[in-house]
Amino acid sequence: GAGVSQSPSNKVTEKGKDVELRCDPISGHTALYWYRQSLGQGLEFLIYFQGNSAPDKSGLPSDRFSAERTGGSVSTLTIQRTQQEDSAVYLCASSLAWTGGKETQYFGPGTRLLVL
Amino acid sequence: RKEVEQDPGPFNVPEGATVAFNCTYSNSASQSFFWYRQDCRKEPKLLMSVYSSGNEDGRFTAQLNRASQYISLLIRDSKLSDSATYLCVVNFDSWGKLQFGAGTQVVVTP
Repeated sequence: GAGVSQSPSNKVTEKGKDVELRCDPISGHTALYWYRQSLGQGLEFLIYFQGNSAPDKSGLPSDRFSAERTGGSVSTLTIQRTQQEDSAVYLCASSLAWTGGKETQYFGPGTRLLVL
Repeated sequence: RKEVEQDPGPFNVPEGATVAFNCTYSNSASQSFFWYRQDCRKEPKLLMSVYSSGNEDGRFTAQLNRASQYISLLIRDSKLSDSATYLCVVNFDSWGKLQFGAGTQVVVTP
């Protein structure tokens, strides 16, 4: 079946602009996760959804970041007033359910964001 | 101190040799442990979960040492295709927030 898909695959934007990143999880996966990976760095956890709700948003780097999920499926991560330090690969993952982190997470190919 | 620490490497390994590396974690309450593999400019993929008693999957063996708070990965009979960055992943919170290490790079040479 289809894996996790993300769009766009690459995004170049100017500092100060807003960007919206999209994630389509694997069909039937109720848990969805957003991560950020800067060049040469590990993955930074941003937020996770169980269904449409996000129990913990404390991983979001600043209030310029927001995420939503509708219909228990597609999720969007929005970055307002982008800054150069927002440049990174934004990865989305999904898992069948939330069982305290024991479920295998399947990652999408990521969106490479470059803020000029 | 980082919550999950790994030796970044690279570990240069001749084809057919064995390589092993560790990952340390700071939170003694951690419950779940994984190794993910990430190829250059690709997304991470689960390699294996790590169980308390240790576990093996083909040429890969994972161990957990709760007392010293580290997990290890051993690769036997290394293949060129094993060249990748290996990410140590630990679950900290009651709801399972995952923490990723920065990765250990392995380069298998002919």
